[in-house]
Order: sequence, then structure tokens, then C-alpha cells
Amino acid sequence: KQEVTQIPAALSVPEGENLVLNCSFTDSAIYNLQWFRQDPGKGLTSLLLIQSSQREQTSGRLNASLDKSSGRSTLYIAASQPGDSATYLCAVRDTGFQKLVFGTGTRLLVSP
Amino acid sequence: DTGVSQDPRHKITKRGQNVTFRCDPISEHNRLYWYRQTLGQGPEFLTYFQNEAQLEKSRLLSDRFSAERPKGSFSTLEIQRTEQGDSAMYLCASARGDSNQPQHFGDGTRLSIL
Repeated sequence: KQEVTQIPAALSVPEGENLVLNCSFTDSAIYNLQWFRQDPGKGLTSLLLIQSSQREQTSGRLNASLDKSSGRSTLYIAASQPGDSATYLCAVRDTGFQKLVFGTGTRLLVSP
Repeated sequence: DTGVSQDPRHKITKRGQNVTFRCDPISEHNRLYWYRQTLGQGPEFLTYFQNEAQLEKSRLLSDRFSAERPKGSFSTLEIQRTEQGDSAMYLCASARGDSNQPQHFGDGTRLSIL
């Protein structure tokens, strides 16, 4: 059974810092991995999707990497801003299935 | 894309009542998913539709839960005889036919059971 873990559970940084969020998964037979952002009381916003054959994806100040063999992904946020404050969720889709398996998220607070 | 739309945004009901939620996916997205999220947790998968066919169901989806997607467009999720433990945010997501496309989520329906 796939299990996804995100560390740290919460992170507080001053504006302008670069930061890394971590995601690990127990079964390396994944089809893809997706990073999401969730604001309080809202749904999820898709940030990046990495296919199992890819090593990284970039969008603006965000860069996500994937090391499938070791069961790890990282989300790098450059030059953080207060507007980046949210919960960041990692989710994997196992090969042969449609569903996403989510971690419990990292709650990020960026202070001005 | 106008985004995934869910209705209602909030539902408060008494234990034992039936509730129904609606999801309108992004147009031309033939894949539709339902998830449930409780406070402080990540979403948990409930069920998946490809067009009108329900192809995956979680063991979380007890016999009190039923989902439909009658014409392969909008979907409904019904909970019968609601229980306290059903209180959660119910999220709908959709994706394009290409299986490596990302899932896009709506803002959810928050269900509170009194």
C-alpha cells in the first residue's frame, strides 16, 4: 500500500528565503507525482506534475525534482513571498491506478 | 477553462439525513474524481469515472455512498443516512483524456453533520 510522507509538517520563513519541501513515498512504481497548493478553506491548485520518466519540472519560482528509485521528491521555492503562504501537498499516482495518494502536507508561512 | 465547479459550497444537515453534492468538471475533461478531506489531512480518494463509467472505488465508499455521472458530464455524490464521521470537505477533480495530464480540483463542498 502506497504511503506518502511530507516533512516538515510546518515551516515558517522570512520573505526572500529559498526553501525546500520534502515528500517521500514507499512504493517506487509510480506513474507520476503532482505538487499542489491549498489555501485555507479552498480546493487544491495544481503546481507541477512530474512524470515517472522525468527528473524535474520548473514553473516560475518553483522547481520540483523526482528520484523515483529512492522514493523522494522535493519542491524548491525561490525567493519566497508572503503570497506563497499556504499548505503544499504532494500526491503520487501509482502505475495501473487513476487515484492520487496524498501526503498530509507542509503548512508554509512566509513573513514579510 | 472555467474550472471545476462544485455545489453547494457548504451543507449543514442533521444526522440521518440524505445529502447530494454536484460537480461540474472542466469541459471536455472525460476523467472525474471524488475525494474526501478531513481537517489536517490530505485528500483521500473515493471514486473515479471515465466518461460515464465508474472504474475505481475506494473501500471508504461504503454502501451509504453512491456516485453517478449519467451522461459523462456532471457528477453527483449522494450520502444516505449521514453520520457524524461524514463531516469533511468533499472535493471533485477532473482531468483530460491523456492519462498523464494533471488533476484539477474544485473548491469543494464542506459538509457539517449536527
